[in-house]
Amino acid sequence: DVKVTQSSRYLVKRTGEKVFLECVQDMDHENMFWYRQDPGLGLRLIYFSYDVKMKEKGDIPEGYSVSREKKERFSLILESASTNQTSMYLCASSLDSNYGYTFGSGTRLTVV
Amino acid sequence: KNQVEQSPQSLIILEGKNCTLQCNYTVSPFSNLRWYKQDTGRGPVSLTIMTFSENTKSNGRYTATLDADTKQSSLHITASQLSDSASYICVVRTYQAGTALIFGKGTTLSVSS
Repeated sequence: DVKVTQSSRYLVKRTGEKVFLECVQDMDHENMFWYRQDPGLGLRLIYFSYDVKMKEKGDIPEGYSVSREKKERFSLILESASTNQTSMYLCASSLDSNYGYTFGSGTRLTVV
Repeated sequence: KNQVEQSPQSLIILEGKNCTLQCNYTVSPFSNLRWYKQDTGRGPVSLTIMTFSENTKSNGRYTATLDADTKQSSLHITASQLSDSASYICVVRTYQAGTALIFGKGTTLSVSS
């Protein structure tokens, strides 16, 4: 089974800090995605990547950036964390868009 | 506008009972429809994926149906168990790069003993 691992389950950061959320997948998937999930809003796409060093903006990229230096690793960066970025962050990978996505367990980030 | 609407928003049933969750979508063009189960504090896990030509797909006690004409799908859970307590998310994929998945807001199911 594909495994998508997010480095932290829970994080508490201060306003203005630079935050790195790491995601690693072990099945050589081309496609990787970062979502945030908020009550009543469902999952919203932040950024995605179809290849190494390639990145595309999703629906809500403001305040975020990403890095994909290696195929298996996709990092989400909050340049200057703000309280409205308190959320559950989910990483996903897929072999192809026609296949199911495998999600990580999520990182619950609280910005104080 | 591409949208996925799920109903009910939440549901409480007794262990052993059956239930059906609904998903209506206005996504075009349509590629496939997925149901995910998300336990509290965890990432979503795929239950089924159905393409345009598939009407029914089962995964154990979970059976998904798709009516592409009416743009409706349902997820039927048979003989519910306490472990079925979770959020169930309907997701429709369209032919569009990147933001191709349109997520519903989910139905929260609570199974009580």
